Amino acid sequence: EAGVTQSPTHLIKTRGQQATLRCSPISGHTSVYWYQQALGLGLQFLLWYDEGEERNRGNFPPRFSGRQFPNYSSELNVNALELEDSALYLCASSKGTEYQETQYFGPGTRLLVL
Amino acid sequence: GENVGLHLPTLSVQEGDNSIINCAYSNSASDYFIWYKQESGKGPQFIIDIRSNMDKRQGQRVTVLLNKTVKHLSLQIAATQPGDSAVYFCAENPYNTDKLIFGTGTRLQVFP
Repeated sequence: EAGVTQSPTHLIKTRGQQATLRCSPISGHTSVYWYQQALGLGLQFLLWYDEGEERNRGNFPPRFSGRQFPNYSSELNVNALELEDSALYLCASSKGTEYQETQYFGPGTRLLVL
Repeated sequence: GENVGLHLPTLSVQEGDNSIINCAYSNSASDYFIWYKQESGKGPQFIIDIRSNMDKRQGQRVTVLLNKTVKHLSLQIAATQPGDSAVYFCAENPYNTDKLIFGTGTRLQVFP
């Protein structure tokens, strides 16, 4: 069974541009989570989507947004990119049938903002 | 951020020895805990989890211990192997949410 997949693996943008990152959850999983892992920092929760709706978001500015599609895949959009947005963006998925189910992570998209 | 890590602690062990990685969690409302392993260039990989109604759970070569009184979690790896070299993160999941709060991580280095 395929795990969580993310694309692209690497993304290079310049300051002020927009970035779009994509995630496909494990088959049968309905919840998708996004985390940011910046150099020197731990993983920080960004967004949680379930059944197409945003359920929770972390302490990030509104220029970080996303959506979940009917097939449960998800996009993370980062507008007006800043240098400090350079990080590994990780997507995770879970079954979504109840709270506190195991989250399984994808390989991440490494975003570099120049 | 919620888990700012300026320094990544490192644990160096000899191949074949047992490893113990510790983690202090912060939220008293957390009642689900997970250990993840992250190898260089990869996403975190689930190792083992434990819920707050337990104080010990065993997997294959790994054991997680939970001490709710002092809000402490540990991961024990038996007979550590070179393939165990990675950064290990503990994560806490507060009640009634799916937001994981990660620790700063510990780098495990296994030498022959």
